[in-house]
Amino acid sequence: GEDVEQSLFLSVREGDSSVINCTYTDSSSTYLYWYKQEPGAGLQLLTYIFSNMDMKQDQRLTVLLNKKDKHLSLRIADTQTGDSAIYFCAEKGGRGTDKLIFGTGTRLQVFP
Amino acid sequence: DTEVTQTPKHLVMGMTNKKSLKCEQHMGHRAMYWYKQKAKKPPELMFVYSYEKLSINESVPSRFSPECPNSSLLNLHLHALQPEDSALYLCASALAGGVNEQFFGPGTRLTVL
Repeated sequence: GEDVEQSLFLSVREGDSSVINCTYTDSSSTYLYWYKQEPGAGLQLLTYIFSNMDMKQDQRLTVLLNKKDKHLSLRIADTQTGDSAIYFCAEKGGRGTDKLIFGTGTRLQVFP
Repeated sequence: DTEVTQTPKHLVMGMTNKKSLKCEQHMGHRAMYWYKQKAKKPPELMFVYSYEKLSINESVPSRFSPECPNSSLLNLHLHALQPEDSALYLCASALAGGVNEQFFGPGTRLTVL
């Protein structure tokens, strides 16, 4: 199957860390991505990880990949109100396709 | 230039109208995409163009007709749409193959009356 699942909603206090989780199903996925979408806007690529990596850090963002469990997470350190948005994980289909399969999306709300 | 631009930002059309959505990028990307996004849902892929040729059509109804006149432009021609086609239409572009980092435009908010 091609279902990529995420929890619907996450609420965190400003300054805390946020962890957004994603479960994918295609074990042949070569790349996995995290996108951010603010209200009324397009999607912004935050980061991606190659499937042979376990972790990738980029400033406040840390991506963890557990390939055995097909689990991907995005940790945002020192979460700010500007981080409030919907976050989508996505996987690149295997076998040379240029198609991305998006997760269901997690709405992150940051409160002061 | 690292932007994908889309016009118009908003479009309201009747079910008998013909209209077009436009997308442009100047990043040298050779893969371009149309997505449809309903409220509170992830984007759904509609079409993929690779090197100006249609490579993926996700069984989209023929009332949506894509066109890629050159490597920088992507159009979506609309005809005889239904109210359920109202959505945010997103265009994206990427280098073909490899990492496939897709850069998205801001979208066109389409309302069909």
